[in-house]
Amino acid sequence: EIVLTQTPATLSLSPGARATLSCRASQSVTSYLAWYQQKPGQAPRLLIYDASHRATGIPARFSGNGSGTDFTLTISSLEPEDFAVYYCQQRNNWPLTFGGGTKVDIK
Amino acid sequence: QLQMVESGGGVVQPGRSLRLSCAASGFTFSRYAMHWVRQAPGKGLEWVAIISYDGSTTFYTDSVKGRFTISRDTSKSTLYLHMNSLRTEDTALYYCARDEGYYESTGYVDSWGQGTLVIVSS
Repeated sequence: EIVLTQTPATLSLSPGARATLSCRASQSVTSYLAWYQQKPGQAPRLLIYDASHRATGIPARFSGNGSGTDFTLTISSLEPEDFAVYYCQQRNNWPLTFGGGTKVDIK
Repeated sequence: QLQMVESGGGVVQPGRSLRLSCAASGFTFSRYAMHWVRQAPGKGLEWVAIISYDGSTTFYTDSVKGRFTISRDTSKSTLYLHMNSLRTEDTALYYCARDEGYYESTGYVDSWGQGTLVIVSS
């Protein structure tokens, strides 16, 4: 199965700062990668699909980039509601797999 | 509005069975593939299984193959997960989730239920 490694495990930033999250795949997933946001006590929410396409209703401050094995999620200016855990997920091969997550917390 | 409500979780002994249900509403259930995704307490997300919109195709993560079966009843707009030979490592919150694709699965999840908790313990 494809292993997705997310770095860093925790990112401590202030509101208004730029956040850059990384997801590396153990083999190419072409552009078939998504990003999800999960807040405490809530189900995840789809942010980005196919590496760079924002899902419906997702603000423009969220952007995704990458292809092959290396991907990034960028939050251009952190809003208070953006402090959460972020997961990447690939759909290039079965089984579908998620990364271990990056927690973005308030510095 | 779109809603998925899971049920059937609880405390079960290792080796026993459990069936989870997910009642869907607010969308045409028969036109979407559906997933089960789980999350162990304090841990990350783990994809479990998918069933195509018509029930003809299923895929599973390796750790549940041969033990879990995903199925659906279109007449009841309900998704199921039959879990046999449960292990302590199956303890998790189990989410029912809708695939983002219309008819054809994309492998991404665009809507989630709130989950049902399964605890496997002696």
